[in-house]
Amino acid sequence: EVQLVESGGGLVNPGGSLRLSCVASGFTFSSYNINWVRQAPGKGLEWVSSMSSDSSSINYADSVKGRFTSSRDNAKNSLYLQMNSLRAEDTAVYYCARVLERHPNFDYWGQGTLVTVSS
Amino acid sequence: QSALTQPASVSGSPGQSITISCTGASSDVGRYNLVSWYQQHPGKAPKPLIFEVSNRPSGVSNRFSGSKSGNTASLTISGLQAEDEADYYCSSYINNRSLVIFGGGTKLTVL
Repeated sequence: EVQLVESGGGLVNPGGSLRLSCVASGFTFSSYNINWVRQAPGKGLEWVSSMSSDSSSINYADSVKGRFTSSRDNAKNSLYLQMNSLRAEDTAVYYCARVLERHPNFDYWGQGTLVTVSS
Repeated sequence: QSALTQPASVSGSPGQSITISCTGASSDVGRYNLVSWYQQHPGKAPKPLIFEVSNRPSGVSNRFSGSKSGNTASLTISGLQAEDEADYYCSSYINNRSLVIFGGGTKLTVL
């Protein structure tokens, strides 16, 4: 069974940092592009970043570029999102999602982890 | 890049059909046959319904169908059921830098 499990969310002060993790199981992690998608409370979905299977291609939304950094460790079946200089508007549930062949075919999603940026 | 435009809400009675529109631009929805649709129940992760305009992933009911005309994609749900009450999001490929854009979401109420 394909599973994606996010962790690392929590409450952080504005300007602070947080690192999210997404651990995968049930499929060959190293063969798939994995993305981060977020959803602010009561709002819609927003694409955040994409990382190719071999880490050769990484893309970010303009809203997080320069502050967020995505990385992955295929040996650990894990994707990470390092979030720096956090702002109130970064408050959201962060999902990792697997890409099936091409964007935006997100065929499996994790359950999400909540990040709250507040003093 | 602004979000794709979806109606904020739609409603229908059990057994009826409804259609949710998703309007973009000639640079995204109109240019690529790369539009997906997702269903999201409260407190749950999104569930894929349609890939590449009209393809249903394995296990998705054939009551869900997708189409596109020009810069507007559409999701049709036939034979509405109570469990279809949820939020629905479209998404499109944009370009090789920004990659993906989502619609603002549509809340479906089954009367």
